[in-house]
Amino acid sequence: QLQLQESGPGLVKPSETLSLTCTVSGGSISSSSYYWGWIRQPPGKGLEWIGSIYYSGSTYYNPSLKSRVTISVDTSKNQFSLKLSSVTAADTAVYYCARHNWNYVHFDYWGQGTLVTVSS
Amino acid sequence: SSELTQDPAVSVALGQTVRITCQGDSLRSYYASWYQQKPGQAPVLVIYGKNNRPSGIPDRFSGSSSGNTASLTITGAQAEDEADYYCNSRDSSGNHPFGGGTKLTVL
Repeated sequence: QLQLQESGPGLVKPSETLSLTCTVSGGSISSSSYYWGWIRQPPGKGLEWIGSIYYSGSTYYNPSLKSRVTISVDTSKNQFSLKLSSVTAADTAVYYCARHNWNYVHFDYWGQGTLVTVSS
Repeated sequence: SSELTQDPAVSVALGQTVRITCQGDSLRSYYASWYQQKPGQAPVLVIYGKNNRPSGIPDRFSGSSSGNTASLTITGAQAEDEADYYCNSRDSSGNHPFGGGTKLTVL
């Protein structure tokens, strides 16, 4: 059974960079047909797609976040990572990683999510 | 535009049928997927593609699409179906927006 687990600091200061890693177990991150994505959810609000990456390093980002987002992949560790720069309180959210079936347009496996709070 | 629009809230009587809709121009070209989210939990995929259910999802959940509107139908709603439901799709630029979500109340 595929499992995804987010990890990283739960508290980030304003203007700094948020960094999270998603570790994939029970399957290979190098599987064809699958991208690997990040989605976030501010408290009490809806889901927002941040971006997705293929094991080759090909990326797609949400246009509204593109200038601040970098997603990378480490196939040797079966991990992919998110960096979001110049954070503000508006970036406070639960951040989820998920397997992204690109061809059939869905996210089929999700991590449990991790709350990141932006505060001084 | 890749924006997806959902009704904020819908209610259904126990055992009745409810349809949750998602509107957007991109749905004329791409299928929607649907997610159920209960408080404090990660979203769960319930429908994808033309009308596909992942393993473990009850067959009372079904999906359909017409023009710029995708629909999730729950036939014989149960108390445990009370949750937030989100649609997701893509556009030609590779953007993958979510709808704003629909809160389903089972009466």
